Amino acid sequence: QAQLVQSGAEVKKPGTSVKVSCKASGNSFFVNYVHWVRQTPGQGLEWMGRINPNSGDTNYAQKFQGRVTMTGDTSINTVYMELTRLTSDDTAIYFCARDKRFRLTVAGTFYYAMDVWGQGTTVTVSS
Amino acid sequence: DIQMTQSPSSLSASVGDRVTITCRASQNINTYLNWYQQKPGKAPKLLIYAASSLQSGVPSRFSGGGSGTDFTLTISSLQPEDFATFYCQQSYSSPWTFGQGTKVEIK
Repeated sequence: QAQLVQSGAEVKKPGTSVKVSCKASGNSFFVNYVHWVRQTPGQGLEWMGRINPNSGDTNYAQKFQGRVTMTGDTSINTVYMELTRLTSDDTAIYFCARDKRFRLTVAGTFYYAMDVWGQGTTVTVSS
Repeated sequence: DIQMTQSPSSLSASVGDRVTITCRASQNINTYLNWYQQKPGKAPKLLIYAASSLQSGVPSRFSGGGSGTDFTLTISSLQPEDFATFYCQQSYSSPWTFGQGTKVEIK
């Protein structure tokens, strides 16, 4: 069964960076994009961006532009999310999730959702 | 960015009840609307995609509807394992955005 396993919890100082990994089980798992979503008590679920590990194509939410970098290594079925210049507002659980493409009819339009999720990585930013 | 607003924020219901959660988009998103269920300490789980299509393995008591700006998630007969928080999410345009969540609690 398809599975995403993320790296362990991190505690960081303000102003530093964190890099979270997300490893897929099985071959040819990353067919399309991988999304990163974070969850904070105050902001709920927040989409950070996505990466196509095969092409390297990325799309970042404007809010994180300049602070986030998503990369991938298809040889080990792993993607990474690095967030820099951390503040206490970045304290959150970070999830990776596989992009799934659906088609309701043979010639119909595509729909997209996040169908397999990692277990989450808690990042705590504290001085 | 497209704003997603869910109502209610929380509700109390009994096993066997019919429950409906509403999600409104700030602009027309056609049927690019997904629903997720999240239990404490767990990652979200995809329930419904394209507004009304049931994800594989999800019980048929869950159903979705709507198009344009107004959407619903209905649980026809609430089961003990359904007590959780539910989120809508639009995939019409980047950035993808989520509703604030609806917590379904036991009455």
